[in-house]
This record gives sequence, structure tokens and C-alpha cells, in this order.
Amino acid sequence: QEKVQQSPESLIVPEGAMVSLNCSFSDSASQSIWWYQQHPGKGPKALISIFSNGNKKEGRLTVYLNRASLHVSLHIKDSQPSDSAVYLCAVSPASSSFSKLVFGQGTSLSVVP
Amino acid sequence: EAAVTQSPRNKVAVTGGKVTLSCNQTNNHNNMYWYRQDTGHGLRLIHYSYGAGSTEKGDIPDGYKASRPSQENFSLILELATPSQTSVYFCASGDPRDEQYFGPGTRLTVL
Repeated sequence: QEKVQQSPESLIVPEGAMVSLNCSFSDSASQSIWWYQQHPGKGPKALISIFSNGNKKEGRLTVYLNRASLHVSLHIKDSQPSDSAVYLCAVSPASSSFSKLVFGQGTSLSVVP
Repeated sequence: EAAVTQSPRNKVAVTGGKVTLSCNQTNNHNNMYWYRQDTGHGLRLIHYSYGAGSTEKGDIPDGYKASRPSQENFSLILELATPSQTSVYFCASGDPRDEQYFGPGTRLTVL
């Protein structure tokens, strides 16, 4: 069964800093990899996804995928207090015939003014 | 924006009682999902559905049943609730290979 591990568990950064979040997974043949953002008391919301090796940029977000090293990272440029949330990495397993997602345990980000 | 609603938002139940959690989506998505979220475990899939009338077991189905009577509605049923089922439950919907849209969650406490 696919395993997803995220690091660090929590992170505190000053406003304007670059944030880097890490995620490792167990199967190089996994399908899409997603990053979700979850504010306290709310449901997760999809931020960005990636399927192919390399990087993908959307606004202040950049995601890097390296299937050979089973690693994906999310980078948030110019972080804002509103970015404070839990970030969840989710992987769609290769064996899944439908859109199943396996989630990591999350990274809690606090951006302080 | 996809809309997924859940009811109730909070529920206190007694051990051995029956609990039904309801989910409604208005975006005509075929796939719907039920997850639970616990500290240290992230989100774990309980049941899912491909469409009206279908339910399938996810990764942690024991102690739970699901019902999909229509495209819009997907319920999670705890026939005999136990304290270990105290958790926050999320419903989601989505098209295959696309993002999942989550509801606001139901906080369930089983005493």
C-alpha cells in the first residue's frame, strides 16, 4: 500500500519568507500528486497537482517532482499570514482504478507578521 | 466552485447507538468519498462511490457502512458507534483524475 510521509511536522516563518515543504512516497509509478491546504475548522482545498517529473509553477506556488527519488516538494514564495494552514500531500496510487488519494499526515505552517 | 455540504456539523453519540452522517454535492460529480481525519494519521479513506447505487470499501471500512441513493447524496452509517470512531469526518466529491472537493467536516464524539 502506498505510503506518504511529510516533513517537517510544523514550521514557523516570518512574513515574506520562502517556504519549502517536503513529501516522500513509496511507489515511483504513482499517478498524480496533489497538494491541499486546510485552514482550521475547514475542509481541505486543492492547491496544485503534478504528474510528470520536473516542476510546475502557479502564481506564488512551485512544485517539484522527482519520481526516481520518490520525492515531491512545494515551495511558497513571499509567504503571507493568510498562508498559515496545514498542507497535505496526496498521492494517487498506480494500482488505483479510480481517483483514490493517499494522504500524508500534513505540515502545519505558521507565517508570522 | 464545487459545493459539498455535510450534516450535522457536530454530533455527540452514545456507545452502541446508530449514527448517520449525510453529504450532498451539487456539481454532478460521479465519485464521492468519505474520510476520517485524526491527529497523526492524516485523512484516511473509509468508503467511496462511483455513482448512484454503488458503494465500495476504502482503506478502513470496518465498523462503517455507506449508502449512495442518488447522484447528489452519500451517507456514512455507524450501526454500533464506539469511542474509537470519535473523529472528524469529511465527505468529498470529484471527477476521475481531477481534484476532490471537500465539505466542511462533521465532528463526531462517541461517549
